Amino acid sequence: QVTLKESGPVLVKPTETLTLTCTVSGFSLSNARMGVSWIRQPPGKALEWLAHIFSNDEKSYSTSLKSRLTISKDTSKSQVVLTMTNMDPVDTATYYCARILSSGWSYYFDYWGQGTLVTVSS
Amino acid sequence: QSVLTQPPSASGTPGQRVTISCSGSSSNIGSNTVNWYQQLPGTAPKLLIYSNNQRPSGVPDRFSGSKSGTSASLAISGLQSEDEADYYCAAWDDSLNGLDWVFGGGTKLTVL
Repeated sequence: QVTLKESGPVLVKPTETLTLTCTVSGFSLSNARMGVSWIRQPPGKALEWLAHIFSNDEKSYSTSLKSRLTISKDTSKSQVVLTMTNMDPVDTATYYCARILSSGWSYYFDYWGQGTLVTVSS
Repeated sequence: QSVLTQPPSASGTPGQRVTISCSGSSSNIGSNTVNWYQQLPGTAPKLLIYSNNQRPSGVPDRFSGSKSGTSASLAISGLQSEDEADYYCAAWDDSLNGLDWVFGGGTKLTVL
């Protein structure tokens, strides 16, 4: 059974750095066909992709947020970590991690975590 | 402003067929596959359609997807009350600025 679970602070102050952890089970982060993405959703708004990492450690970041994001993984712990610097109230959102599955030329998010709401406020 | 354009709302009565459109460009839908996600109120998104028209195991065949050029569509036939949710399309976007996943702004489906 594939599961992903996000963890991290529920409240951060403006200018602080956010660190979120995604702990996965039911699959290995070393599987060549799989990766993990972070996606966020401000209250009442649409989904926004942030970053992904694949088994070969290939990483990619949102063009608009690249300077603030770092993604890494610890395969032995089955964890993917996202850090976002210089947090602002507009970063208030539910943050999801999702598994990426590749099938031929297709890539898609086939399993999602439950999400964690992060509020940025002083 | 989302890169992929969806109508903000759609509606139908039980048993009806509804379609939701998703419009993009040559750098995303025009050159990559499209996926659709269903988000029930208060829950995480769930994969509904992948690779333009493929249904994951467990998704009813009432849901179907298609793609033509730089646009894609999600069709729901035999509409049911439990289909009331937000629907998002998504695709890779490979532009001069880099490679990003992009989502539509979401369509809120109401079952009347």
